[in-house]
Amino acid sequence: GQNIDQPTEMTATEGAIVQINCTYQTSGFNGLFWYQQHAGEAPTFLSYNVLDGLEEKGRFSSFLSRSKGYSYLLLKELQMKDSASYLCAVSSGSNDYKLSFGAGTTVTVRA
Amino acid sequence: GAGVSQSPRYKVAKRGQDVALRCDPISGHVSLFWYQQALGQGPEFLTYFQNEAQLDKSGLPSDRFFAERPEGSVSTLKIQRTQQEDSAVYLCASSLAPTGSGNTIYFGEGSWLTVV
Repeated sequence: GQNIDQPTEMTATEGAIVQINCTYQTSGFNGLFWYQQHAGEAPTFLSYNVLDGLEEKGRFSSFLSRSKGYSYLLLKELQMKDSASYLCAVSSGSNDYKLSFGAGTTVTVRA
Repeated sequence: GAGVSQSPRYKVAKRGQDVALRCDPISGHVSLFWYQQALGQGPEFLTYFQNEAQLDKSGLPSDRFFAERPEGSVSTLKIQRTQQEDSAVYLCASSLAPTGSGNTIYFGEGSWLTVV
């Protein structure tokens, strides 16, 4: 199976930057996804990385190092609405449709 | 509809009762997935459909769980003789392409099942 680890909780101040790390161990790698999930709502897609490097999309950026089995999600200029759970998910093996999720990192943004 | 729609949003079932959870994927989406999310955990894969074909059901916890998508659009997840450990949020997701890799998967808001 897959082993995906991410911190349980993080707290940051409005306007600041927060980096959420994710490490994974998989047999075969097809890509890594980040999802945002507000309490009681659907997970929504944030980013997808399949090659090493940084993908920037507005205030959110995602980084991948396949050799290290490591990714991070960077949230800049934090806003109160960014308070949510952030899920790291990996697609691996021959069944590339199947996502294995981490337990999620709850980010709390304080004024 | 504009997104993945699930019903009921909330269901309280007595232990031993059968439940059926419905998913309306985004129109035209070929792939449909069911995931189970326990409190404080990430979603766990249950099953995958490509059109009406169930290509992977390896994540279904037991033979009490059954999923179908007879016409390649709406799907139903059925749980027979519910038990307390079945209490979770059941998320349905769909994507346009036949496989998920690199393709955006859109999730519904989930059906919250509580077994008492």
